[in-house]
Amino acid sequence: GENVEQHPSTLSVQEGDSAVIKCTYSDSASNYFPWYKQELGKRPQLIIDIRSNVGEKKDQRIAVTLNKTAKHFSLHITETQPEDSAVYFCAAPRGSTLGRLYFGRGTQLTVWP
Amino acid sequence: GAGVSQSPSNKVTEKGKDVELRCDPISGHTALYWYRQRLGQGLEFLIYFQGNSAPDKSGLPSDRFSAERTGGSVSTLTIQRTQQEDSAVYLCASSLVGASYEQYFGPGTRLTVT
Repeated sequence: GENVEQHPSTLSVQEGDSAVIKCTYSDSASNYFPWYKQELGKRPQLIIDIRSNVGEKKDQRIAVTLNKTAKHFSLHITETQPEDSAVYFCAAPRGSTLGRLYFGRGTQLTVWP
Repeated sequence: GAGVSQSPSNKVTEKGKDVELRCDPISGHTALYWYRQRLGQGLEFLIYFQGNSAPDKSGLPSDRFSAERTGGSVSTLTIQRTQQEDSAVYLCASSLVGASYEQYFGPGTRLTVT
């Protein structure tokens, strides 16, 4: 199956700084790359996703970049705020539109005020 | 509209008992997923349904775990002869078609095996 690796496992930043989380995947046919945010005690929720026909997508303070050649994608959060503190998961499918997502192990982001 | 719902929200059971966890996906979503999340850990895939069939059961940890889906809607995850290591939050998610569409997660069932 797909192999998704996520780094770092923990990340601490000062409020206002930027945070970057990186993921690599193994299946070159993968075509969809979502990022989920899970706040403490809550369910994961999609915050941004990108499809393989674009290299970058932005939504206010968050952005995702995709490098298909290198098979990696990254989440960028600018002007971080304490409410950004959460666990972030990247994911990728194994090629097909159907089937399951393969999740990374997660990154615990802590934003210090 | 209604999201994914799960019941019960909490379940405490004695070791060796069987438990059933229920998931009601978003209406019209053909794909349904079960995950296990131990405290402070990631999302452990258990099983994936497309309609009523389960093309991927590779994540079920042992033959004590089984799941079914009926009418292309409600799904039940059954754990037989529960063990303490089964204690976790069990999350269900549904998506419109499959892996390349947003997964909507339910609130989870917190299972504690004493």
